[in-house]
Amino acid sequence: NAGVTQTPKFRILKIGQSMTLQCAQDMNHNYMYWYRQDPGMGLKLIYYSVGAGITDKGEVPNGYNVSRSTTEDFPLRLELAAPSQTSVYFCASSYSGHTQYFGPGTRLTVL
Amino acid sequence: DQQVKQNSPSLSVQEGRISILNCDYTNSMFDYFLWYKKYPAEGPTFLISISSIKDKNEDGRFTVFLNKSAKHLSLHIVPSQPGDSAVYFCAASVTNDYKLSFGAGTTVTVRA
Repeated sequence: NAGVTQTPKFRILKIGQSMTLQCAQDMNHNYMYWYRQDPGMGLKLIYYSVGAGITDKGEVPNGYNVSRSTTEDFPLRLELAAPSQTSVYFCASSYSGHTQYFGPGTRLTVL
Repeated sequence: DQQVKQNSPSLSVQEGRISILNCDYTNSMFDYFLWYKKYPAEGPTFLISISSIKDKNEDGRFTVFLNKSAKHLSLHIVPSQPGDSAVYFCAASVTNDYKLSFGAGTTVTVRA
């Protein structure tokens, strides 16, 4: 099993550009999550999904969108990138909704 | 408002000694608690968890203690090894809420 995979590993965006961060899991987990981690801070939940076709906002959803058309994939869309979105983004999945398994992260810089 | 707090940003310990990491929470509805370990440039990895029906859970060198009345949990690592040098995050959840609240993390450095 590959677990949770994320692409790309690194990306630099200009202000106003858009991009999609990809996340996939091969563990057949229903629950999937997107977090961001800023320096010296914990992980903040952006969006989550409890199953295909169902998504909901987390703590910091502004400026982001998600979709969940399949159990395996949970892409995160950034529209009109801003410097405040410079962060490390982690995707996670869970079987139970408690213990979550994380991908390796995407480091995004917006200049 | 941060519901899970790790008040010590860093901890330095000698190899072979005990590392004690602390975590406090404010939401009395939390009933499941986890510790994650994170190396630089990697995602967090699950370390150990505890349900609110227990006050202790042990897994090898790692033990988590839960004090519900004080809304406090701690992670003990005995003995500490150089490979334990990492950032440790405390997290908490409410059953059927499906979300985790994370602390800011404690950076542990194990000195040889």
